[in-house]
Amino acid sequence: GENVEQHPSTLSVQEGDSAVIKCTYSDSASNYFPWYKQELGKRPQLIIDIRSNVGEKKDQRIAVTLNKTAKHFSLHITETQPEDSAVYFCAARISNFGNEKLTFGTGTRLTIIP
Amino acid sequence: GAVVSQHPSRVICKSGTSVKIECRSLDFQATTMFWYRQFPKQSLMLMATSNEGSKATYEQGVEKDKFLINHASLTLSTLTVTSAHPEDSSFYICSAPNNEQFFGPGTRLTVL
Repeated sequence: GENVEQHPSTLSVQEGDSAVIKCTYSDSASNYFPWYKQELGKRPQLIIDIRSNVGEKKDQRIAVTLNKTAKHFSLHITETQPEDSAVYFCAARISNFGNEKLTFGTGTRLTIIP
Repeated sequence: GAVVSQHPSRVICKSGTSVKIECRSLDFQATTMFWYRQFPKQSLMLMATSNEGSKATYEQGVEKDKFLINHASLTLSTLTVTSAHPEDSSFYICSAPNNEQFFGPGTRLTVL
């Protein structure tokens, strides 16, 4: 099955600086890569996603890049703000005959230092 | 966006009892729903895929007789933790796909 690795496990950055979180996946059939933000005790919230036919996607301060050859994708947050502090999860999915199963990375605890 | 609800949000039970958690898609139909378990400071681990009209598909290492899943309708899936023990204490989250995955708010289960 799919295996998703995520690094780093913790990340602290000064407010205003950029944060980068990286993930690798094992199954070349994976074709959908979402990123989720989870605050303590809450449900994961989708913040951005990318499909395998696209190399990069940007939404305001958040961007995701995908390298299918190397099987890795990254989340970039620019101009970080204190409210960006949370746990971030990457995930990978193989869409196959309606199977929507997601495999999650191990998570990155991001702390923005004011 | 689509809404997924979960009930109860918190439950405390005694060891040996059974607990039922409901997951509902409120404004869309879901032939498939997913059940995850999340231990403190860990990732979401998929337990099983709930399929409307057929048996659930369990991930390796998840006991199907302990975690009973019933997909009763196109908007409701239930997870029953049978004979719960303290090690079953966790945050249980369901999700349903509607283009993207929509997660329920989670259920915090504490087994005494």
